Amino acid sequence: AQKITQTQPGMFVQEKEAVTLDCTYDTSDPSYGLFWYKQPSSGEMIFLIYQGSYDQQNATEGRYSLNFQKARKSANLVISASQLGDSAMYFCAMRDGAGNTGKLIFGQGTTLQVKP
Amino acid sequence: ETGVTQSPTHLIKTRGQQVTLRCSSQSGHNTVSWYQQALGQGPQFIFQYYREEENGRGNFPPRFSGLQFPNYSSELNVNALELDDSALYLCASSTGPESYEQYFGPGTRLTVT
Repeated sequence: AQKITQTQPGMFVQEKEAVTLDCTYDTSDPSYGLFWYKQPSSGEMIFLIYQGSYDQQNATEGRYSLNFQKARKSANLVISASQLGDSAMYFCAMRDGAGNTGKLIFGQGTTLQVKP
Repeated sequence: ETGVTQSPTHLIKTRGQQVTLRCSSQSGHNTVSWYQQALGQGPQFIFQYYREEENGRGNFPPRFSGLQFPNYSSELNVNALELDDSALYLCASSTGPESYEQYFGPGTRLTVT
């Protein structure tokens, strides 16, 4: 069965520093997609970054980068130059590659707090 | 903002009652997925609607049902509410069932007492 594991319930980072949020996944499908979403206290899930299982390079989107290590089945999110507005819940998710629904399987989430 | 809207924002219901939650998809999107997010948990897939037909379902009982209308807006109906149904209900719209870009709405917070 497909599974996403986020082992860090909470993280603190000083403003302007970089932080890494961990994510490991488990799947037997050769084709899958990995996502990171940010969820502020307002509740809306905000898409941050996507990595396909066949992508050769690590995905980057502005201050966000995804450290994709396929052999280790990890997809860690790196946020550079943290800002106070980055304080939120972060979810790693995997898309079911075998199905045709684009169904997302989410991890438990990591709460990030940025200190001034 | 994603252009996906949900109503109502908050709702309080009593155990055993029925509830209807609504989602308006982003313009040009024909697919809506619904997720349930219990407090402190990640969202769980309930089902997806594509062109007015159910196109996949997660591990939820039949008392969770849905509809999609010709304008691609969608409803989630829950019958015989239970206390454990208390959660944030999120809908996400996309340009197709296999599109990796899903745009989430702000959610409806349902409390069952």
